[in-house]
Amino acid sequence: ETGVTQTPRHLVMGMTNKKSLKCEQHLGHNAMYWYKQSAKKPLELMFVYNFKEQTENNSVPSRFSPECPNSSHLFLHLHTLQPEDSALYLCASSLGTSGTGELFFGEGSRLTVL
Amino acid sequence: SQQGEEDPQALSIQEGENATMNCSYKTSINNLQWYRQNSGRGLVHLILIRSNEREKHSGRLRVTLDTSKKSSSLLITASRAADTASYFCAMGGEGNTPLVFGKGTRLSVIA
Repeated sequence: ETGVTQTPRHLVMGMTNKKSLKCEQHLGHNAMYWYKQSAKKPLELMFVYNFKEQTENNSVPSRFSPECPNSSHLFLHLHTLQPEDSALYLCASSLGTSGTGELFFGEGSRLTVL
Repeated sequence: SQQGEEDPQALSIQEGENATMNCSYKTSINNLQWYRQNSGRGLVHLILIRSNEREKHSGRLRVTLDTSKKSSSLLITASRAADTASYFCAMGGEGNTPLVFGKGTRLSVIA
């Protein structure tokens, strides 16, 4: 148990579906992140939230829509995805948004887009 | 922009041997961190070394940092089959910039 919980762990969706990934952290952290991990690529930072405010959007296509209702919860809403969006989506949290502290990761949501 | 490059990409060793992984980066850092990822799971933080430190130990892990060469190494001593995983370095830059991860080294420890 890492303190960061992601659901669902596995998701298969068609290109026209709408689905959401959920992340919850129980660590009292202020910052939350979405990362995308594809085969043979470095971990890609997608979004950063600090105290519910988005502080970073790494040129992510609009078919990915993040939502952070409070410091403990983070969602990634998915709409009209492409097969190349199939990947492991990792949520992480940290005390602050600077790169000076460690990140705590969830177990990931494995997404397959058909 | 910052990029991390781990070397080797894959490493296979026998149980009991030492494993060394290297990480090189491009721009100045505040700290460098190492993470471990078991197949299909999340990343787990192993160790953080600050830019003014040269060496750090944690159990069977030893991390070195050479800021003049912009490189770091992770040594796992007396490896075990359970150490089989991917290992990533992550660079923490100056200011409020998020960590930048490398592509990782895939370590296989054969019993």
